[in-house]
Amino acid sequence: DADVTQTPRNRITKTGKRIMLECSQTKGHDRMYWYRQDPGLGLRLIYYSFDVKDINKGEISDGYSVSRQAQAKFSLSLESAIPNQTALYFCATSDPTGNRETQYFGPGTRLLVL
Amino acid sequence: QKEVEQDPGPLSVPEGAIVSLNCTYSNSAFQYFMWYRQYSRKGPELLMYTYSSGNKEDGRFTAQVDKSSKYISLFIRDSQPSDSATYLCAMTRSGSARQLTFGSGTQLTVLP
Repeated sequence: DADVTQTPRNRITKTGKRIMLECSQTKGHDRMYWYRQDPGLGLRLIYYSFDVKDINKGEISDGYSVSRQAQAKFSLSLESAIPNQTALYFCATSDPTGNRETQYFGPGTRLLVL
Repeated sequence: QKEVEQDPGPLSVPEGAIVSLNCTYSNSAFQYFMWYRQYSRKGPELLMYTYSSGNKEDGRFTAQVDKSSKYISLFIRDSQPSDSATYLCAMTRSGSARQLTFGSGTQLTVLP
């Protein structure tokens, strides 16, 4: 089974709709992240959480919100979707012990906002 | 100007070629440098990890960091069709809140 899972894998929605993307992990990591990937722009950080009570905005948080329901679960919400939020969304986890902090990515959610 | 610049390609090479992928960056505070590989319709996975300047070799892959020039490279020797993927450079500062800054990725195709 995959260590980091994302649901749904694909989603089509309409402008103005509220949607939630979910992420679950079995790696036991405290740190979790949400990124979006756009052609030519690479991965950009939306929100990150270092534990259940610690939520931080990333580079591009406007229009998004998150919820850390448990150590293993981190959800991303688009309160009112707009077409320029069409992108590939990735969840990631990391374990900060030691000097090497590897981020482990889920398979991604492809979102299309019409 | 982006903090990390990476040529998006696409780059197409014949099997067995040596591939060179590069990133430049502007923030001298970056200390940790990574290369991620992303296959089509998959999430990125860590390929190489380097701290500060120098070289690191792992099989057919070599990562180089030149902090004086703010330039990092990934070399792939004896490239294989299975190396066809998008390669993303990433880097971060030292400290407890190590947010990664990614390059835009270079799409590589190795032709059999």
